Amino acid sequence: AQRVTQPEKLLSVFKGAPVELKCNYSYSGSPELFWYVQYSRQRLQLLLRHISRESIKGFTADLNKGETSFHLKKPFAQEEDSAMYYCALRGSNYKLTFGKGTLLTVNP
Amino acid sequence: ETGVTQSPTHLIKTRGQQVTLRCSSQSGHNTVSWYQQALGQGPQFIFQYYREEENGRGNFPPRFSGLQFPNYSSELNVNALELDDSALYLCASSYSGTGVEKLFFGSGTQLSVL
Repeated sequence: AQRVTQPEKLLSVFKGAPVELKCNYSYSGSPELFWYVQYSRQRLQLLLRHISRESIKGFTADLNKGETSFHLKKPFAQEEDSAMYYCALRGSNYKLTFGKGTLLTVNP
Repeated sequence: ETGVTQSPTHLIKTRGQQVTLRCSSQSGHNTVSWYQQALGQGPQFIFQYYREEENGRGNFPPRFSGLQFPNYSSELNVNALELDDSALYLCASSYSGTGVEKLFFGSGTQLSVL
């Protein structure tokens, strides 16, 4: 079985502060991990994926297989980062499992 | 390049009825997947179609079925609707070639079952 846990339903930080959105997963094989984001009144969209090892809008995420985590980080949060963030895992059967999401609010 | 479009945007049905939701994939995409998102939850994978064949399924009963057409548009059919089927239904398309594909989501169909 594959499972994704996002322990924080809500996260509030001030502009310029570092932000970390936590994601832990459970999967017996080699997972593919993603972060999706949904800004207010917009559709769900891919933010980044672990396989690309990329930084998008200043966000990075490192896959830690020992801790089974894929936390999303940004050193200096901006107000436009306020959104709902979902961590997702894809297993070998093409099934994409999402966490319940974390609502990030960046205050001015 | 057109995005993923879903219709209708809202739908109200009564328990026991059947419903068909439609999705038009982004141009050039050959894979479509469907998700159910209940209020306050993340999207839950229903199934995926690649070149008109189902190639992945989540933990949903057989009354949830789908079709993908040669033009890569898609339908989600739900029979014998139950109150718990009330949710936002999302469609996502992608091009499945080599490597990990990027999903493009539609805006969803909000289904209410009374």
